[in-house]
Amino acid sequence: DAGVTQSPTHLIKTRGQHVTLRCSPISGHKSVSWYQQVLGQGPQFIFQYYEKEERGRGNFPDRFSARQFPNYSSELNVNALLLGDSALYLCASSSIWSGTGAQPEAFFGQGTRLTVV
Amino acid sequence: GQQVMQIPQYQHVQEGEDFTTYCNSSTTLSNIQWYKQRPGGHPVFLIQLVKSGEVKKQKRLTFQFGEAKKNSSLHITATQTTDVGTYFCAGQWDTGRRALTFGSGTRLQVQP
Repeated sequence: DAGVTQSPTHLIKTRGQHVTLRCSPISGHKSVSWYQQVLGQGPQFIFQYYEKEERGRGNFPDRFSARQFPNYSSELNVNALLLGDSALYLCASSSIWSGTGAQPEAFFGQGTRLTVV
Repeated sequence: GQQVMQIPQYQHVQEGEDFTTYCNSSTTLSNIQWYKQRPGGHPVFLIQLVKSGEVKKQKRLTFQFGEAKKNSSLHITATQTTDVGTYFCAGQWDTGRRALTFGSGTRLQVQP
């Protein structure tokens, strides 16, 4: 079985540009989450989607947006890129999303390394 | 806000020595998960702890969840070079958002 796949793997953009990152979850997984990982830090939560609905949003500006498609794949969009947006963007898929109690384990993709110059 | 503090930030050990990393939350957690990230890699799930005082073992790795469900630890016995990487705890609470909140991680370096 294929794991979580993300594209592209690396990307260089100029300040002010827009970027779209893509994620395909593990087959059968309906929940996708996006995280930003700056070098030397832990992943920071950006968005979580389940059954195509947004279930959570982290403390990121409105320049960040996301969506989930009927096939459960997802896109993360970032507008008006800043130098500080340079990071590893991780997508994680889970089998379900639980409103209470423990969440199932998250399976992470290899990430997209975004460099803003 | 809801956050987990993780210490130490970095540890360098000789192969065969033990290693421990600690996570702490100021408020009661619903559960905590542990992940390992190899250099240049992505986080890989290790374990989830849900019950107060829970202890789980995976070969040389021992995971503990505190009685008050506010702290957790990962202990590695007799480290090996394959243990190199950054270990993250990730907490969840019963209130607020349902996504994982990661600690800052402990980077483990093992000298052969």
